Amino acid sequence: DAKTTQPNSMESNEEEPVHLPCNHSTISGTDYIHWYRQLPSQGPEYVIHGLTSNVNNRMASLAIAEDRKSSTLILHRATLRDAAVYYCIFLIGPKEGSGNNRKLIWGLGTSLAVNP
Amino acid sequence: KAGVTQTPRYLIKTRGQQVTLSCSPISGHRSVSWYQQTPGQGLQFLFEYFSETQRNKGNFPGRFSGRQFSNSRSEMNVSTLELGDSALYLCASSLGPYNEQFFGPGTRLTVL
Repeated sequence: DAKTTQPNSMESNEEEPVHLPCNHSTISGTDYIHWYRQLPSQGPEYVIHGLTSNVNNRMASLAIAEDRKSSTLILHRATLRDAAVYYCIFLIGPKEGSGNNRKLIWGLGTSLAVNP
Repeated sequence: KAGVTQTPRYLIKTRGQQVTLSCSPISGHRSVSWYQQTPGQGLQFLFEYFSETQRNKGNFPGRFSGRQFSNSRSEMNVSTLELGDSALYLCASSLGPYNEQFFGPGTRLTVL
């Protein structure tokens, strides 16, 4: 079964970069890699996604390994507000004839603590 | 633009009862997904609706059902509640099945 593997928890200091790893060795060629984060007492929020190339947006950068079996979410300067659970997720595309659309496969995520 | 709203925010039920949860997506969003979140299992996909049709379903028993209305609002129903159904139920909306999802705050269901 498709799944992602992330460390349970990580710690960072404020204003330092954070690299959150994710292994997805069972990913197929058409599966997108999505990252969401969940702040305490809130629903998850979208961070970034990619397929093969590295991606940047205002929140973070996503570095995808050449073999696509792993990726890293990079927060360039962690703030206290970045303390959250970060989820690395597959977006599995539809299989021909299945009649299904995409499916997001969630793991347990990495709980990031940011120290002042 | 208003975000995804879910009602009620908190609910307490007893075993054997049924419950209906409601989700109003962001205006213009036609895709609504439902998830169950528990401490031990994380987020688990329940089902997804697009244009009033269920497009995808997770591995949950038939006690869990849902529907989507013509205005894209969605409801999910759980019948014959069990203690293990206690969880945070999250709704997410998106423009379409392949767009980023926007989550609501969730409904916290406690089954006694």
